[in-house]
Amino acid sequence: DTGVSQDPRHKITKRGQNVTFRCDPISEHNRLYWYRQTLGQGPEFLTYFQNEAQLEKSRLLSDRFSAERPKGSFSTLEIQRTEQGDSAMYLCASSALGAYEQYFGPGTRLTVT
Amino acid sequence: QKEVEQDPGPLSVPEGAIVSLNCTYSNSAFQYFMWYRQYSRKGPELLMYTYSSGNKEDGRFTAQVDKSSKYISLFIRDSQPSDSATYLCAISTGGGNKLTFGTGTQLKVEL
Repeated sequence: DTGVSQDPRHKITKRGQNVTFRCDPISEHNRLYWYRQTLGQGPEFLTYFQNEAQLEKSRLLSDRFSAERPKGSFSTLEIQRTEQGDSAMYLCASSALGAYEQYFGPGTRLTVT
Repeated sequence: QKEVEQDPGPLSVPEGAIVSLNCTYSNSAFQYFMWYRQYSRKGPELLMYTYSSGNKEDGRFTAQVDKSSKYISLFIRDSQPSDSATYLCAISTGGGNKLTFGTGTQLKVEL
């Protein structure tokens, strides 16, 4: 059994471009979470899915951000019209139904130039 | 005031020392407590998780929770240079709910 995987690991983009990240959770984990982490800070919650349903979104998730989990397996996070302030590490985590601990992937580091 | 407060350090200790890392929180609804270790430019790695007040031990690591004081700790015995990393506390109000993190404490264990 592999852990949470994320792709790409690093993305460099120009301001104004759209980017999409992918997360594959631990198999059979029903819950999937997205967090964002900036330098010197702890991760901040963005959004959360249980199966294919998006159950909670943070106010940090502006209308330029959209997340999907179409078949309850992998998830994508898209950022439209990227801004320099979007530069951060985007982390995905998953947990099993009934559990409270979350397991994180390696993250996607986004650099907006 | 942040919901979870954690001293960012850096904390530097000699090899073999006992390390104490701490967090305080303000919301009494927080019921589930986790500690993660994060190496530079990597994702957080789950070290310990607990629900109850009291101590939970796993090898060289002990997690301690005092819900009455809203205070959690992670102790590392016989610290090693490989323990050098940032340690994050994370708390949630319920199973499956989002985690609220501290800022992380940067630890360096020196030879």
